[in-house]
Amino acid sequence: DIQMTQSPSSLSASVGDRVTITCRASQSISRFLNWYQQKPGKAPRLLMYAASSLYIGVPSRFSGSGSGTDFTLTISSLQPEDFATYHCQQTYINPWTFGQGTKVEI
Amino acid sequence: QITLMESGPPLVKPTQTLTLTCTFSGFSLGTSGVGVGWIRQPPGKALEWLAFSLWDDDDKRYSPSLKSRLTITKDTSKNHVVLTMTHMDPVDTATYYCARCDVLPGAIYCDYWGQGALVTVSS
Repeated sequence: DIQMTQSPSSLSASVGDRVTITCRASQSISRFLNWYQQKPGKAPRLLMYAASSLYIGVPSRFSGSGSGTDFTLTISSLQPEDFATYHCQQTYINPWTFGQGTKVEI
Repeated sequence: QITLMESGPPLVKPTQTLTLTCTFSGFSLGTSGVGVGWIRQPPGKALEWLAFSLWDDDDKRYSPSLKSRLTITKDTSKNHVVLTMTHMDPVDTATYYCARCDVLPGAIYCDYWGQGALVTVSS
């Protein structure tokens, strides 16, 4: 299986901060990398797909970059509703593995 | 409007077989490039990919580590996708999600998810 490693595992930030989360794959996954946001007790919500494509309805303060093995999710100006856990997922090779999650706290 | 909902027993005993049904609306599994996947999340832990069924009956993908225990079937006429997992163990306690996934050139992603079904494995 391809291992997906996110860093950091958690971070504390304030409203208005720029936040960057990193996801590293154990082998090249081209750009088959998705980002999800999950709030407690809720299902994940798709934010980004194909590494840098913003999904419909997702605010433009979210952006993604990377290819191969190294990827980043950036929130340009953190908003109160952005405090959540973020997951990366590779869909290059079955099984479509997830990272361990990054919790963004106030 | 696209919706998915998981249903199944909230409690199963060790060694039993779990059967979960994903009932969906707003899209058809007969559409090229559309499939339904199953994902689980143990309490406080990471998401784990389980299985996926594409529109093609022959295209079913399973997590290799769980393949011997999983079967995914679909009933296109009823808009159901069923996941069965045999030999349940307490470590299988998790919230189980189904999701609609799009398979496109250069991108595969799951954009609609059910609310999740918590399954506890305990005697």
